[in-house]
Amino acid sequence: DAKTTQPPSMDCAEGRAANLPCNHSTISGNEYVYWYRQIHSQGPQYIIHGLKNNETNEMASLIITEDRKSSTLILPHATLRDTAVYYCIVRGFDSGTYKYIFGTGTRLKVLA
Amino acid sequence: EAGVVQSPRYKIIEKKQPVAFWCNPISGHNTLYWYLQNLGQGPELLIRYENEEAVDDSQLPKDRFSAERLKGVDSTLKIQPAELGDSAVYLCASSEQSQGRRNEQFFGPGTRLTVL
Repeated sequence: DAKTTQPPSMDCAEGRAANLPCNHSTISGNEYVYWYRQIHSQGPQYIIHGLKNNETNEMASLIITEDRKSSTLILPHATLRDTAVYYCIVRGFDSGTYKYIFGTGTRLKVLA
Repeated sequence: EAGVVQSPRYKIIEKKQPVAFWCNPISGHNTLYWYLQNLGQGPELLIRYENEEAVDDSQLPKDRFSAERLKGVDSTLKIQPAELGDSAVYLCASSEQSQGRRNEQFFGPGTRLTVL
């Protein structure tokens, strides 16, 4: 079962910040939060990940709440090319292996 | 640097026929994954390899699905016989180090299978 809950869809105006929420209330202390996105007809692409602290890279920022039960992916200046399905994933450790469990994601549509 | 290569990109077969998908991971990546993605759903792991060893195949329907990763590089996923419900996108991914903190997975474009 997916460990994360995301809204099924969101719209964002081009040039504005896109804030994508994710709930992961059952996350364990050593589990990381990962974000990937999938543009139509392509494989998922890594965006960012974090454990406790907020993270930022050239693509996005990740804000994790202090209790780690939720997080927000921020695309600071959304462009039309950011239209995609965004997956929030908790990387679990089960039977000696790391596992990604994808949910259904959030379909972000950036509007001109 | 080349990414994960998959072939074919599209495959249409009739039910009960066999089908095979091929994946060439990024050079140097010792971990390889096969995922199944149904329409409107996120990818679901089928099998994970560490070098040549299948370390997690708990979600692979072994009655009709098989996979191999000879020499710890390329991998092949096979379905025999295919059923209508197998229509989906089959994604291959690779990562450099399964135990690493980042564990970023690089995905190929997938093979879209249609079973008629």
